[in-house]
Amino acid sequence: GAVVSQHPSWVICKSGTSVKIECRSLDFQATTMFWYRQFPKQSLMLMATSNEGSKATYEQGVEKDKFLINHASLTLSTLTVTSAHPEDSSFYICSASRRLNQPQHFGDGTRLSIL
Amino acid sequence: RKEVEQDPGPFNVPEGATVAFNCTYSNSASQSFFWYRQDCRKEPKLLMSVYSSGNEDGRFTAQLNRASQYISLLIRDSKLSDSATYLCVVNYNNAGNMLTFGGGTRLMVKP
Repeated sequence: GAVVSQHPSWVICKSGTSVKIECRSLDFQATTMFWYRQFPKQSLMLMATSNEGSKATYEQGVEKDKFLINHASLTLSTLTVTSAHPEDSSFYICSASRRLNQPQHFGDGTRLSIL
Repeated sequence: RKEVEQDPGPFNVPEGATVAFNCTYSNSASQSFFWYRQDCRKEPKLLMSVYSSGNEDGRFTAQLNRASQYISLLIRDSKLSDSATYLCVVNYNNAGNMLTFGGGTRLMVKP
């Protein structure tokens, strides 16, 4: 069964709207979760590392004020795309692993379309 | 130069064929290696981890050559359901479990 759950799976909204995406680890505690973005026909690109109880670590070129990450509990990380614009339309995926050095499990992904 | 490089394909093969993908990585300090499979508009799913000794899972065989910094995936007796994009994935930082993805190799198995 699913190990990591992501919600919502699909969002369509107007430009300027803020969108929150949730990522949950279902049967394990994840002190670290990862957020990726994938544009059409491209590979996944790491956006940020979400750390429980502390600030997220953002990759170069990712605006931390635009992509707000909150990891308030050991099973939940949220990514908020603030004031989304059409260029933010993408496939956003989170991941977590049960233990260090074990493979990552991915959420189902969220397809974000900004009109 | 990309950190993880793959031939994007597509590889078009008939059912029953054997097909091999290669992947090269640039960071010699890389720790862990994986092959993920991604279907169109879906999230990646772990296919198999890759070990230095080589490992096999049914029709799939993965090999790692640390000296040459490349990873391979061999698929025998291809099925239509094997059609997908195969992502070579490298973990550079065991402490953080961060993954770096290759661009993916697209496989299309035809009847």
